[in-house]
Amino acid sequence: ETGVTQTPRHLVMGMTNKKSLKCEQHLGHNAMYWYKQSAKKPLELMFVYSLEERVENNSVPSRFSPECPNSSHLFLHLHTLQPEDSALYLCASSQGSTSGTDEQFFGPGTRLTVL
Amino acid sequence: GQSLEQPSEVTAVEGAIVQINCTYQTSGFYGLSWYQQHDGGAPTFLSYNALDGLEETGRFSSFLSRSDSYGYLLLQELQMKDSASYFCAGLSGGYNKLIFGAGTRLAVHP
Repeated sequence: ETGVTQTPRHLVMGMTNKKSLKCEQHLGHNAMYWYKQSAKKPLELMFVYSLEERVENNSVPSRFSPECPNSSHLFLHLHTLQPEDSALYLCASSQGSTSGTDEQFFGPGTRLTVL
Repeated sequence: GQSLEQPSEVTAVEGAIVQINCTYQTSGFYGLSWYQQHDGGAPTFLSYNALDGLEETGRFSSFLSRSDSYGYLLLQELQMKDSASYFCAGLSGGYNKLIFGAGTRLAVHP
């Protein structure tokens, strides 16, 4: 049990659908992250939130829209996706320390397939 | 740009020692982390090197040489359960921004 949960675990959607991914952390952390993991490629950082404020947006297309209503919850709203967006989407959280290591705790991910 | 290179696959036998190397081309990395990910699982933190030298945690050790832009993860007394993907990640500026390598898939055989 990592303390970070994600729902749904699997999602199949058409290119015209709107869906949302949810992440919840039970660790009392201040920072939350969205990553995209595609086969044979490095994990790609998408967004970083610290104390509910977005502090990093890694040139992600606008069809991905994050939302962080409080420090425990993070959403990724999906709209008009492309087949190449099919991947594993991982959420992570950390204490948000800026000195030394800030170990990130990952959720199990949502396996997204865009048809 | 910032990038980390690591071998795509490594194979070893139970009880052996294996070293997974990671080289990086970047400036401004504060340190190097290692994560383990089993098939179908979430990445989990293994170690972090902020300074040059060796960090030991049980059967796993990690090394960093900033002058060489190089690090490695050393796994000793390999067990079947160590079969997984291992990622090095550079800790960049800003809010603990991690830049990941593509991962090394380790297969441990009897």
